[in-house]
Amino acid sequence: GAVVSQHPSRVICKSGTSVKIECRSLDFQATTMFWYRQFPKKSLMLMATSNEGSKATYEQGVEKDKFLINHASLTLSTLTVTSAHPEDSSFYICSASEGFGNTIYFGEGSWLTVV
Amino acid sequence: GNSVTQMEGPVTLSEEAFLTINCTYTATGYPSLFWYVQYPGEGLQLLLKATKADDKGSNKGFEATYRKETTSFHLEKGSVQVSDSAVYFCALRGSGGSQGNLIFGKGTKLSVKP
Repeated sequence: GAVVSQHPSRVICKSGTSVKIECRSLDFQATTMFWYRQFPKKSLMLMATSNEGSKATYEQGVEKDKFLINHASLTLSTLTVTSAHPEDSSFYICSASEGFGNTIYFGEGSWLTVV
Repeated sequence: GNSVTQMEGPVTLSEEAFLTINCTYTATGYPSLFWYVQYPGEGLQLLLKATKADDKGSNKGFEATYRKETTSFHLEKGSVQVSDSAVYFCALRGSGGSQGNLIFGKGTKLSVKP
């Protein structure tokens, strides 16, 4: 079946540095991918919608200059956390589908720890 | 706007007990409804779904019925196992608007004791 791969699964970075998380659809083309953040003891919150070949659409309250999203191809979207701070430590997870109405598949998620 | 409300956990059950996790939603139109499961240390997996009223989604012994009259999609399992210990998320996808983003409930942590 369709698989979405996310990398790295765990990353530790120093405060002030940038870190990139990749999301790949392995056997289907995803024109749209979504990035979520999971806060401790809270639900998943949609951060942005990533559209292939165009700018991402960010949810209200999400800093677009801090969370850079690039959807360079139909199988790859990246999330770059710039100038990371400890409060950015979280679980980030992406999802993708072949199109509206199709099953949404999630990546394995990435645990980011900023020290 | 669209929203999902699910019962707060944690829920602790003994093995073979009956499970119900309540989920209600607010949405315009005809949303699709989902239950996702997150096992410890892993990402999300689709557990089951229903795309129209009165549909019943089922998988791995879990069931949920799309009840439009009560705007509910409660998750049930007749006999839980230790391996069912996880966090369960109810979610909806609207019938219009942006293509495919999900709105999640806060999650319910289930612990099953042997």
